[in-house]
Amino acid sequence: EVQLVESGGGLVQPGGSLRLSCAASGFTLSSYSMNWVRQAPGKGLEWVSYISSSSSTIYYADSVKGRFTISRDNAKNSLYLQMNSLRAEDTAVYYCARVRLGGYLDYWGQGTLVTVSS
Amino acid sequence: EIVLTQSPGTLSLSPGERATLSCRASQSVSSSSLAWYQQKPGQAPRLLIYGASSRATGIPDRFSGSGSGTDFTLTISRLEPEDFAVYYCQQYGSSVYTFGQGTKLEMK
Repeated sequence: EVQLVESGGGLVQPGGSLRLSCAASGFTLSSYSMNWVRQAPGKGLEWVSYISSSSSTIYYADSVKGRFTISRDNAKNSLYLQMNSLRAEDTAVYYCARVRLGGYLDYWGQGTLVTVSS
Repeated sequence: EIVLTQSPGTLSLSPGERATLSCRASQSVSSSSLAWYQQKPGQAPRLLIYGASSRATGIPDRFSGSGSGTDFTLTISRLEPEDFAVYYCQQYGSSVYTFGQGTKLEMK
């Protein structure tokens, strides 16, 4: 059974940093590209970042470019999102999701909540 | 960047009725890159349709997708109580993923 489990969320002050993790099981992570997607409270879905299976290709949404860094460790079956210079508008539930050919997301984790507030 | 606009914002229907949700793109989208998701409160999104018209694994056949170019549609033929949720369309192109703002399907 495919499972994605996010962790690392919490309360952080504006300007602070946080590192999210996504543990993958039930499939070979090294064979798939992955995304981070976020959802602010009561709002819609917003794509954050993409990483290819070998980490050779990485994309970011303009809203996080220069502040967030996506990475992965296929040997540890894990995906990461390093978030620096956090702002109030980064407050959201962050989901990791598996990417399939064509760009659709077939499996999602349950999400981890990041709250940026003083 | 392609913008996806979903309509209506809210759709009020009764179980057994037919639901038609629209997703319009600001420029032409490859059909292979258009997907639909369902999200219920407190849950992660669930993939319903990919490639504009292919049902994901385990999705009932009352869900169908159609369209091409800039206009795409998700149809639920006969609403079941568990279908009341928020629906999002999504596309991938030019190194960017975008989502529509969502359509809330509520019980009348």
